[in-house]
Amino acid sequence: EAGVAQSPRYKIIEKRQSVAFWCNPISGHATLYWYQQILGQGPKLLIQFQNNGVVDDSQLPKDRFSAERLKGVDSTLKIQPAKLEDSAVYLCASRPQGGNSPLHFGNGTRLTVT
Amino acid sequence: KQEVTQIPAALSVPEGENLVLNCSFTDSAIYNLQWFRQDPGKGLTSLLLIQSSQREQTSGRLNASLDKSSGRSTLYIAASQPGDSATYLCAARGTGTASKLTFGTGTRLQVTL
Repeated sequence: EAGVAQSPRYKIIEKRQSVAFWCNPISGHATLYWYQQILGQGPKLLIQFQNNGVVDDSQLPKDRFSAERLKGVDSTLKIQPAKLEDSAVYLCASRPQGGNSPLHFGNGTRLTVT
Repeated sequence: KQEVTQIPAALSVPEGENLVLNCSFTDSAIYNLQWFRQDPGKGLTSLLLIQSSQREQTSGRLNASLDKSSGRSTLYIAASQPGDSATYLCAARGTGTASKLTFGTGTRLQVTL
């Protein structure tokens, strides 16, 4: 079984620039998550999708962050414009719908904003 | 609002020692409790998942326990090895099939030779 794929692995941008991250979940996984992990902290949920619908985006800074999962498969997360405090690792995770199944995480994208 | 705390933040033990990592959560109405391992520069790997109705789960040298009433979970690692060196995170999932995971800040474990 192929794991959760994320790209790019690393990205360095200047503040006020825009950036996009891509995630392809495990095949058949209906639920997809984007997490932000700042150095030394646990991951914080940004947005949760169930198929192509948003379930929870309460902690997504909507003035600069956006995410979509148009066909209910892969997803993109965008930041525009970026701030210094957005420097973090952005993790994508997926799991099958329902039940007590664990989350499967990708390796993340490390973003540095200078 | 669920809050998850992990103690200690960092731990160094000699190889072969048994150790316990602690996780506490403020809202006992959880769906499950998961333990993850994170290696530097990598994503999280699920180690154990304990359903709210269970008391413990075991996988190899790992044993996780759950006490919902006291809001605590522990991860026991037997006969530690240098390869166990990583950050260990616990996460509590709220009730409801669409509810989110709330993570602790992790315990950074180093097992020395």
